[in-house]
Amino acid sequence: QVQLQESGPGLVKPSQTLSLTCTVSGGSISSGSYYWSWIRQPAGKGLEWIGRIYTSGSTNYNPSLKSRVTISVDTSKNHFSLKLSSVTAADTAVYYCARGLGWSGYLRFDYWGQGTLVTVSS
Amino acid sequence: QSVLTQPPSVSGAPGQRVTISCTGSSSNIGAGYDVYWYQQLPGTAPKLLIYGNSNRPSGVPDRFSGSKSGTSASLAISGLQAEDEADYYCQSYDSSLSALVFGGGTKLTVL
Repeated sequence: QVQLQESGPGLVKPSQTLSLTCTVSGGSISSGSYYWSWIRQPAGKGLEWIGRIYTSGSTNYNPSLKSRVTISVDTSKNHFSLKLSSVTAADTAVYYCARGLGWSGYLRFDYWGQGTLVTVSS
Repeated sequence: QSVLTQPPSVSGAPGQRVTISCTGSSSNIGAGYDVYWYQQLPGTAPKLLIYGNSNRPSGVPDRFSGSKSGTSASLAISGLQAEDEADYYCQSYDSSLSALVFGGGTKLTVL
């Protein structure tokens, strides 16, 4: 059974960089054909896809965040990471990591982490 | 404002059938991209409910069904139960935005 667990600071100052890690257990992050993804949800609002990294290391980002986002993978630690720069209060949200199954635009998220709340405040 | 439009709320009594719509456009659902549905219980992560427009993952009751036509999709829940009370989200891909997109979510209340 695949499990995902987010970790990282729960409080980030405005203009700084938000950094989160998602550790995958129950399977190798480099095996299979999966898109390891980040999705966020502001309190009381809907879901927003941030971006994804394929097993091969190629990345795709939401154009609305692309200039500030970097997703990377560390296969030796079986985890992937999110960096979001120049954060503002609008980036305050619960951040989820998820496994994407499928290909290109035909992607479903079949496993999710429990989510971690990141608050941007001074 | 979400690219995929869902009603903010729907409700039904136990045992009834409810449907939740997801309206898109020619650059997403209408372009042939699949629709996926997720259930999010309070305080928890979303759970995949429907994939490929109408397929249920193992373990999802057959009370849940999905369909797609033109630029819209629907999630139907029959035999409504108290534990179905949750937020429901549709998801697809938008070729104009080059992004995976979600609907704004629908809160289901079981009366």
